[in-house]
Amino acid sequence: GAGVSQSPSNKVTEKGKDVELRCDPISGHTALYWYRQSLGQGLEFLIYFQGNSAPDKSGLPSDRFSAERTGGSVSTLTIQRTQQEDSAVYLCASSPWSGASNTIYFGEGSWLTVV
Amino acid sequence: TQLLEQSPQFLSIQEGENLTVYCNSSSVFSSLQWYRQEPGEGPVLLVTVVTGGEVKKLKRLTFQFGDARKDSSLHITAAQTGDTGLYLCAGPIYNQGGKLIFGQGTELSVKP
Repeated sequence: GAGVSQSPSNKVTEKGKDVELRCDPISGHTALYWYRQSLGQGLEFLIYFQGNSAPDKSGLPSDRFSAERTGGSVSTLTIQRTQQEDSAVYLCASSPWSGASNTIYFGEGSWLTVV
Repeated sequence: TQLLEQSPQFLSIQEGENLTVYCNSSSVFSSLQWYRQEPGEGPVLLVTVVTGGEVKKLKRLTFQFGDARKDSSLHITAAQTGDTGLYLCAGPIYNQGGKLIFGQGTELSVKP
């Protein structure tokens, strides 16, 4: 497709289980971002990939969170041993480059509910 | 630490009214962006303001970047029900490429 694609769109998981969220960025975009959004709130930065550089993981809330980006394209965000406070919408975005005023394009998000 | 504060957090108005949303910081930003997000969707970029004092218009929406590049406002004239949504301002974190920080958002409800 033409836009950022995320899957699953909705995921309900039991506390303590691991989850994987996938992001397929716009073809050719070198920068990829993961953000988290709690209900009706702004976006919290999690991690940022730019080309072949080491990712900026400064926003990951704990060591239960990890992400990788294979082949400079698809990215997977993994949350281990999920907790109820992990419930949120996880948004992926991509951009053609990573300049300060470039346009980033968001996917529709993966809504995670931990019960 | 760079922070962006938006006000008001919630706004409920009647169709046809005007409104202004504010985005403020104590830090200088090289640019600020405004996004609109509808339920179940990701944020969509409305505008980027880059120059201090800049004013950009998008139909009934007017965006202004403060002279000191520490604040921005979004003014909607004659709001319509289709303007309902979450409005977010965002700015790049200094010297960290395209990484953005976001305000907490303004939830706008326009009633017929």
